Amino acid sequence: DIQMTQSPSSLSASVGDRVTITCRASQGIENDLGWYQQKPGKAPKRLIYAASSLQSGVPSRFSGSGSGTEFTLTISSLQPEDFATYYCLQHNNYRLLTFGGGTKVEIK
Amino acid sequence: EVQLVESGGGLVQPGGSLRLSCAASGITFSSYWMSWVRQAPGKGLEWVANIKRDGSEQYYVDSVKGRFTISRDNAKNSLYLQMNSLRAEDTSVYYCARGLQLDFWGQGILVTVSS
Repeated sequence: DIQMTQSPSSLSASVGDRVTITCRASQGIENDLGWYQQKPGKAPKRLIYAASSLQSGVPSRFSGSGSGTEFTLTISSLQPEDFATYYCLQHNNYRLLTFGGGTKVEIK
Repeated sequence: EVQLVESGGGLVQPGGSLRLSCAASGITFSSYWMSWVRQAPGKGLEWVANIKRDGSEQYYVDSVKGRFTISRDNAKNSLYLQMNSLRAEDTSVYYCARGLQLDFWGQGILVTVSS
């Protein structure tokens, strides 16, 4: 099984801050990783696919990078609507998809 | 417009059964793998199962193997999750999601297992 270790589990930030979230895979997954945003009571929404490709309609302040075992989601300038929980997902092993534990982004 | 709409959730006693459905529209349903993902109250996301485009392959997380069955009816653009021998720890919001990369999700349906 591929384990996804996401950090931090939570962070406090201010509007305008640059925010970085990391996911580490227990083995190489090439670029088979997506990033999702979830707001309370809502379904997750995909932001990034193939580790670094921006989903259509997602603001350009979101970006993804990485390959192999280490991946990063960056929000270049945090906006009020970005306060949410973020998850990574590996689909390299499609027989057992695994999510990271989540990062809750809160207002400082 | 892509739409995935789950139904069939509710309250069930431990040991009971429930069948979830997911109705798809706005997509060529038979062209996509489909998945179920769940989220226990206050917890993170957990992938549950997926099924190949033609239904010939199905995969499950260990915690539901032997109890849950994923299936699909491409003629009806529908995905299903038959859940048997339900446990309290199966209490979650269940989402259906499109593809192996989970690029689009339904709104979710709550399943509560409690006596």
